[in-house]
Amino acid sequence: KQEVTQIPAALSVPEGENLVLNCSFTDSAIYNLQWFRQDPGKGLTSLLLIQSSQREQTSGRLNASLDKSSGRSTLYIAASQPGDSATYLCAVGGGADGLTFGKGTHLIIQP
Amino acid sequence: GAVVSQHPSWVICKSGTSVKIECRSLDFQATTMFWYRQFPKQSLMLMATSNEGSKATYEQGVEKDKFLINHASLTLSTLTVTSAHPEDSSFYICSARDRRLAFYEQYFGPGTRLTVT
Repeated sequence: KQEVTQIPAALSVPEGENLVLNCSFTDSAIYNLQWFRQDPGKGLTSLLLIQSSQREQTSGRLNASLDKSSGRSTLYIAASQPGDSATYLCAVGGGADGLTFGKGTHLIIQP
Repeated sequence: GAVVSQHPSWVICKSGTSVKIECRSLDFQATTMFWYRQFPKQSLMLMATSNEGSKATYEQGVEKDKFLINHASLTLSTLTVTSAHPEDSSFYICSARDRRLAFYEQYFGPGTRLTVT
């Protein structure tokens, strides 16, 4: 059974810092990996989707990498802003199956 | 494109009653829809997978007689929580997959918050 772990569980940094969120998964036979953002009491906002054949994806200040063989992904956030404060979820997909989510990293960017 | 809606966005019901939640794909055909549940301060857990025209497949530990899922068309799936109890209070989120996409990307609805009193 696939298990997804996210480290750290919580992170608080001053505005402007670059930061890295980590995600690891136990079964490397995945179709894709997706990073989401969730604001309190809200649904999910998809940030980046990496197919299993890809190594990384970039969107604005966000960069996500995937090392499928080692079961790891990182989400890099450059020049963090208070508006980036949210819970970040990593999820892996097994093709036709649903996604398996990690427990998330609760991020606070201090103004 | 690829918008998924859910209705209602929140609902309060009394213990013992049933509640129906709708999930719609607005601008694409969803051959498969997924239902997830999220308890406070927890991550999302997959409850069931529903394919259009077929019976839903439930994850281990999810009672199929309690959580009735219907996926009668390519744009609509419903989740009915029967005889709801306070422990069913949760955030329910659906997602849908577009049959045209080869990479299995799922698009998520905004979620429905259920409170059972």
